[in-house]
Amino acid sequence: AQTVTQSQPEMSVQEAETVTLSCTYDTSESDYYLFWYKQPPSRQMILVIRQEAYKQQNATENRFSVNFQKAAKSFSLKISDSQLGDAAMYFCAYRSPGSARQLTFGSGTQLTVLP
Amino acid sequence: GAVVSQHPSRVICKSGTSVKIECRSLDFQATTMFWYRQFPKQSLMLMATSNEGSKATYEQGVEKDKFLINHASLTLSTLTVTSAHPEDSSFYICSARLAGGRSYEQYFGPGTRLTVT
Repeated sequence: AQTVTQSQPEMSVQEAETVTLSCTYDTSESDYYLFWYKQPPSRQMILVIRQEAYKQQNATENRFSVNFQKAAKSFSLKISDSQLGDAAMYFCAYRSPGSARQLTFGSGTQLTVLP
Repeated sequence: GAVVSQHPSRVICKSGTSVKIECRSLDFQATTMFWYRQFPKQSLMLMATSNEGSKATYEQGVEKDKFLINHASLTLSTLTVTSAHPEDSSFYICSARLAGGRSYEQYFGPGTRLTVT
C-alpha cells in the first residue's frame, strides 16, 4: 500500500517570503500522480498543483512550484511571495494509476503566514 | 469549472437516528465518487469508493451496514449514517471523478459537518 508522509505538522512564513513544505511517499509503482491540496478554514479542498510521475520537469503554477525527486520519492511544495491568503492546511496526495484512482493523503502541514 | 455540492452543510442529530448526506456533481457526470471522513486537525481518510450502478467499495475498518452509500445516478451519491452515535461526529467530504475525463480530475464538495448529540 502507498503511504504519504508530511513531517512538518506546522510551518510559518513571513508575508512576501518563500516557504517549502515537505512530502515523501512510498510506492512500488512507476507511474502515478502527485498532488498538493490546500484546505483553508472554509474546509473546501482546493487543488494547488499536480505532477505526473513520468514527467521529469517540475510542475509550476504561478507562485507555486514543486521539487519532484522520483528516485528519492520526494515531492516538496515551494510557495514564493507568500500571501496572507495562503494560510491553510496543505495536504500532499498520491494517486495510483489503477482503476480505483483514489487519493492517499498525507497528514497535512498547517501553514501560517505572518504579516 | 466542475462543481460538486453537498447537502446539508451541517447537521445536528440525536443519537440513534439516521442522517443522509447528498453529494451532487452539478455540471458534469461522475462515474465514481469518493467519501472521506476528517476529524479536527487531521487528514482525510477514505471511507468508500462509490461507482454508479454498483455496490460501493469500503475501506478496511469502515462498517458498510452503518455507512450506507447509494450512487443511483451519474450526478448523485448519498451517504447515510445509520443509528448515529456521538463518535460518528465528524466532517464528511465527497469528491467526484469526471466520467471519461483525464485521470487526475477529481473535484471536492464543500463538506458536511455532522454532530451527534
